[in-house]
Amino acid sequence: SQQGEEDPQALSIQEGENATMNCSYKTSINNLQWYRQNSGRGLVHLILIRSNEREKHSGRLRVTLDTSKKSSSLLITASRAADTASYFCATDAVGNQFYFGTGTSLTVIP
Amino acid sequence: KAGVTQTPRYLIKTRGQQVTLSCSPISGHRSVSWYQQTPGQGLQFLFEYFSETQRNKGNFPGRFSGRQFSNSRSEMNVSTLELGDSALYLCASSLAIASLYQNTEAFFGQGTRLTVV
Repeated sequence: SQQGEEDPQALSIQEGENATMNCSYKTSINNLQWYRQNSGRGLVHLILIRSNEREKHSGRLRVTLDTSKKSSSLLITASRAADTASYFCATDAVGNQFYFGTGTSLTVIP
Repeated sequence: KAGVTQTPRYLIKTRGQQVTLSCSPISGHRSVSWYQQTPGQGLQFLFEYFSETQRNKGNFPGRFSGRQFSNSRSEMNVSTLELGDSALYLCASSLAIASLYQNTEAFFGQGTRLTVV
């Protein structure tokens, strides 16, 4: 089964609103990364947060990590239509396998 | 600087055939990883190559194989294709081995969409 699970599976918001998506994982990790994928295309790396970090910012993105709850959240502020995409969390895990979550499909309505 | 290039972009094959997909990493990158993406299973790790050696492998049958050349270009082969092999195959390149768990960034190609009929 997947190491990471995103929640919600789908999210629809108005342009200008904030979007929050969550990721839960099962085992201890070294880091957690968030990626964006536009429809049927490659993944774009957004941000990496290490297991000893609790929060990280990059432009309109804010990522938090709670290792005690094995969860992370991605907040996109002041969303734009161009943010419409699927967002995945990815974690490394025991045995050095790298796992992606199931993804959150975000639609930003202009 | 050119990005990760995957060829072909689209492919249609018949059950039982074999297929070879190609990935050219970013110049200077020595690690290439392959992933399979399907609606039902999401993104799953296939394998990673570094300096022409397979360094890590996911839970896929032996029909899935790969190799890496001295110029870091990588190929992935799937033999005896099954309908369930229809997917988007993504490769990612990075400077370091097993980059994603060593806190370095991986750059993904646009993928090859394989359809098995």
